[in-house]
Parts: sequence; C-alpha cells; structure tokens
Amino acid sequence: DGGITQSPKYLFRKEGQNVTLSCEQNLNHDAMYWYRQDPGQGLRLIYYSQIVNDFQKGDIAEGYSVSREKKESFPLTVTSAQKNPTAFYLCASTLLPTENTEAFFGQGTRLTVV
Amino acid sequence: GQQLNQSPQSMFIQEGEDVSMNCTSSSIFNTWLWYKQDPGEGPVLLIALYKAGELTSNGRLTAQFGITRKDSFLNISASIPSDVGIYFCAGRPSGGSEKLVFGKGMKLTVNP
Repeated sequence: DGGITQSPKYLFRKEGQNVTLSCEQNLNHDAMYWYRQDPGQGLRLIYYSQIVNDFQKGDIAEGYSVSREKKESFPLTVTSAQKNPTAFYLCASTLLPTENTEAFFGQGTRLTVV
Repeated sequence: GQQLNQSPQSMFIQEGEDVSMNCTSSSIFNTWLWYKQDPGEGPVLLIALYKAGELTSNGRLTAQFGITRKDSFLNISASIPSDVGIYFCAGRPSGGSEKLVFGKGMKLTVNP
C-alpha cells in the first residue's frame, strides 16, 4: 500500500546528542514537510522540500537540519543546538503543484530528551 | 508564522449529539482541509475542499468552504465514542503558497 512511514515511533535523546528521524514515502509525491507538534500549539513547520537536493526553512528551523537526496526520503536531524527538542514530530507529503491536492501524514515520532 | 483561528478549542458532548467547529482566516484561502488526529498518531484527512461555497460530506461528516474564502466549518452528526480525538483545520493561502497553515485543533470528548 502507498503511504508515508516515519521511524522510529519513539526516540530518546541524551542532552548534547544529535538524532535523526526517518521519513519515507512511496506515494511519488514531490514535496515533503516536517512539522513539530506541542500540546495546544497546533503544527509548526520546521523544513520543507519541493524537489530533490533542495529544501527551505519553515517557521522554526533553528536547531534542525534536513536532507533530500532521494525523492522518497526526507530525514530530519535534531541537533544539540535545539534547546527544547521534546515534542511530537510529523512528516507529510504532497504532490506539486499543490493546488487541489492534499497533504498526507506519517504516524509521527515522539522524541524525548532524557 | 500564520495560523488559522479554530474554535472551539475543546468540546464535551454526549453520544448521539451533533458537533460543529469552524476555522477562520484574515486572508483568502484556496484550499481547506480537515484532519482528525488520534492520540500518538498522525493526522488523517477527513475532507478536502477546493472551491468557495463547496459543501462536501463523508459519512456523518459535512464540511463547507466559506463563500468569502476566509472560513470553513466541519459538522459531525450523531456522534459516537470513536469520534474522540483532535480535529484540525488546514488551509492553503491563495497566491501560490506551497505551505499549509494549520489551526490549533479542537479536542473532542464524547461521553457514552
């Protein structure tokens, strides 16, 4: 079945460590997105990519990095520079152009700093 | 970043009741999407709206794209316990933006 898969579902990070969250889609979607979700905050955009080897910062990119080496994959690295990384992270994808298209989400990764 | 105004923020209803929620924006949108999120899971698309005035149903769900293009509502009729969750609206501003804007969500509790 086509879909978007995030892994792992739960991730624990020690202070000062970088961690990478995986996002893979087999929907043949062009654009991929990373969101952060905190209680009562809704979804905030971290980074997005519309094409391989290109990506743009979202509203809260500081302390995060991404890569888009393949159309299917858009991993997110939470660096030690992110001061408050504990959150639920969601990956999404869409076709381009985005007019008359929907965004589909993965199952999410809950990151906890220990 | 821009966010949509979604209301109410939470609702507690009895099984069988109807519920209505809406989202508003200060600018014009060309797409409205409604999602449901269960705890610890990713949002699942319920209804997509692409034309002003469009009214779309999906089972017990009905959503409309406001005629002004600045709002949308979602109705759930005859609620059941599995309707519990967080409902998000999302919109795509006109002008060719590739980015979705999200509401903060409405937490629905259904008492059996």
